[in-house]
Amino acid sequence: QVQLVESGETVVQPGGSLRLSCRASGFIFSRYGMHWVRQTPGKGLEWIALISFDISDKYYADSVKGRFTISRDNSMNTLYLEMSGLRPEDTAIYYCARALTPRSYMDVWGKGTTVTVSS
Amino acid sequence: EVLMRQSPATLSVSPGEKVTLSCRASQSISSALAWYQQKPGQAPRLLMYGASARAAGISERFSGSGSGTEFTLTITSLQSDDLAIYYCQQYNSWPRTFGQGTKVEIK
Repeated sequence: QVQLVESGETVVQPGGSLRLSCRASGFIFSRYGMHWVRQTPGKGLEWIALISFDISDKYYADSVKGRFTISRDNSMNTLYLEMSGLRPEDTAIYYCARALTPRSYMDVWGKGTTVTVSS
Repeated sequence: EVLMRQSPATLSVSPGEKVTLSCRASQSISSALAWYQQKPGQAPRLLMYGASARAAGISERFSGSGSGTEFTLTITSLQSDDLAIYYCQQYNSWPRTFGQGTKVEIK
């Protein structure tokens, strides 16, 4: 069945770096755009980034622009989020989600992975 | 940035009742609106897209309406399994933005 599985929970120090992964299965990964969305108790759901199916388009939220990089490896059916300059406010559950095109909705979500930024 | 505002923040409803949730965009988003359901401890799940189209496998008890800046999600005959937070999200412009959610509680 269609499935998205994010990488495991992580604790990282402020200023540190981390790479999240999202492994896709059950569909043709290379035909879909992919999002990262995060959720915190205080700010609810926050969209972070999107990458188009062919990597030609990338979009970022202002809150992460210049610090986070979205990428994908279609041969490995895997989406990535490179995170640097991490701040305590980046502590959240991170979800990957599928979208048929960059202009469409998120139709399948992973279960999420928790990132904690703390010393 | 398009701001999405949902009301009310919390609804307490008896099983069998009809529920109406509202979502308002700060500027017109045409029909580029999705609704998601998030049950406790789970990831969000797509309910509606294009403001009024049900996603695959979603019960006919869920319906959506609206365009421009005003949108509604209606749940007819509420069931205990509908306990969740419901979020609206616009996909008309960047950045994509979500409402703060409406929590539906079962009386």
